[in-house]
Amino acid sequence: GENVEQHPSTLSVQEGDSAVIKCTYSDSASNYFPWYKQELGKGPQLIIDIRSNVGEKKDQRIAVTLNKTAKHFSLHITETQPEDSAVYFCAASRTGGGNKLTFGTGTQLKVEL
Amino acid sequence: NAGVTQTPKFQVLKTGQSMTLQCAQDMNHNSMYWYRQDPGMGLRLIYYSASEGTTDKGEVPNGYNVSRLNKREFSLRLESAAPSQTSVYFCASSEALRGLQYEQYFGPGTRLTVT
Repeated sequence: GENVEQHPSTLSVQEGDSAVIKCTYSDSASNYFPWYKQELGKGPQLIIDIRSNVGEKKDQRIAVTLNKTAKHFSLHITETQPEDSAVYFCAASRTGGGNKLTFGTGTQLKVEL
Repeated sequence: NAGVTQTPKFQVLKTGQSMTLQCAQDMNHNSMYWYRQDPGMGLRLIYYSASEGTTDKGEVPNGYNVSRLNKREFSLRLESAAPSQTSVYFCASSEALRGLQYEQYFGPGTRLTVT
């Protein structure tokens, strides 16, 4: 089955700096890569996703890049703000089979003033 | 439009007791999922239902059973709770059109402690 590794497990940045979280996956058939943000006491919420036919996707301060050859994808947050502090999860999925997601182990991002 | 709702929010069980976690969605989604979240391990899929009338095992199904009661509701049952099942449980739902993956919407979670 799919295995998703995520690094780092914790990340501390100064407000206004950029943050980068990296994930690798094992199943070459995976073709959908979402990123979720989880605030304390809440369920995860999708912030951005990318499909394998695209190398990069951007939404305001958030961007995701995908390297299919190396089987890794990354989340980039620019101009970080205190409200970006949360746990971020990457995930991977392949078409069919119930569209199951395999999650990484999460990154605790702390944006310091 | 409440999205995905879960009951209860908190539960404490003794070893060997049984309980059912309830989940409902009002988005007319075909697919529903149950995950557990443990510290340092991310979210792991317990069971899923790709469409009404079907259920399948995920990564960690042992000790659990599920029922897709109708299109809206998907319940998770612990027949004989064990301390290893202490966790936060999340239900999620998503659309599934032409086999493509779409956003999974998560409920607020149920925090379960088994003593």
